[in-house]
Amino acid sequence: GQQLNQSPQSMFIQEGEDVSMNCTSSSIFNTWLWYKQDPGEGPVLLIALYKAGELTSNGRLTAQFGITRKDSFLNISASIPSDVGIYFCAGRRNQFYFGTGTSLTVIP
Amino acid sequence: GAVVSQHPSRVICKSGTSVKIECRSLDFQATTMFWYRQFPKQSLMLMATSNEGSKATYEQGVEKDKFLINHASLTLSTLTVTSAHPEDSSFYICSARDIVRLVGEETQYFGPGTRLLVL
Repeated sequence: GQQLNQSPQSMFIQEGEDVSMNCTSSSIFNTWLWYKQDPGEGPVLLIALYKAGELTSNGRLTAQFGITRKDSFLNISASIPSDVGIYFCAGRRNQFYFGTGTSLTVIP
Repeated sequence: GAVVSQHPSRVICKSGTSVKIECRSLDFQATTMFWYRQFPKQSLMLMATSNEGSKATYEQGVEKDKFLINHASLTLSTLTVTSAHPEDSSFYICSARDIVRLVGEETQYFGPGTRLLVL
């Protein structure tokens, strides 16, 4: 199946620090989505990107659709304990493909 | 954002029984819904795509007679795990596709998931 390389796999950061994670692929996508999943819950949509170069913010979260359409990044500024969870990227061509996830731990 | 509900949230059943999981889009119509399976600390594995009014499309390696999918209306899709066995124990998540504004701009909204434990 389609490969989406998401990195880093896990992050341990201090409260207040900024976080950056990204997804890359060898193929072009038409849409990039970022989700957060808490334990025992379904993923919750954070940001949706539909155009190459698009930069979109949602509170402390910012995500960009790469110009090449093969990558996307998600930044979280001034992290807080409730940011803990697993973050997934998803890219869409004819169907959606999901990254392997980034596990974020925020140390108070 | 759009809301997708899933029922039940968790179920424990005996080996050999069948379990039905419902997925509903609450405030939008979804012609397409997806069913995923997720193992601990792993990403989402697409099982099948459910299209309203037509047969579901199953991913390679997913038994269609084992995992029955019905998408009878624009707001409801069901997954039935037939003759469940312990190896079917997992976290099952549905999602619904929503077209945001224009054709081509679409996203997926996920349900809260169903934890299945087969004894």
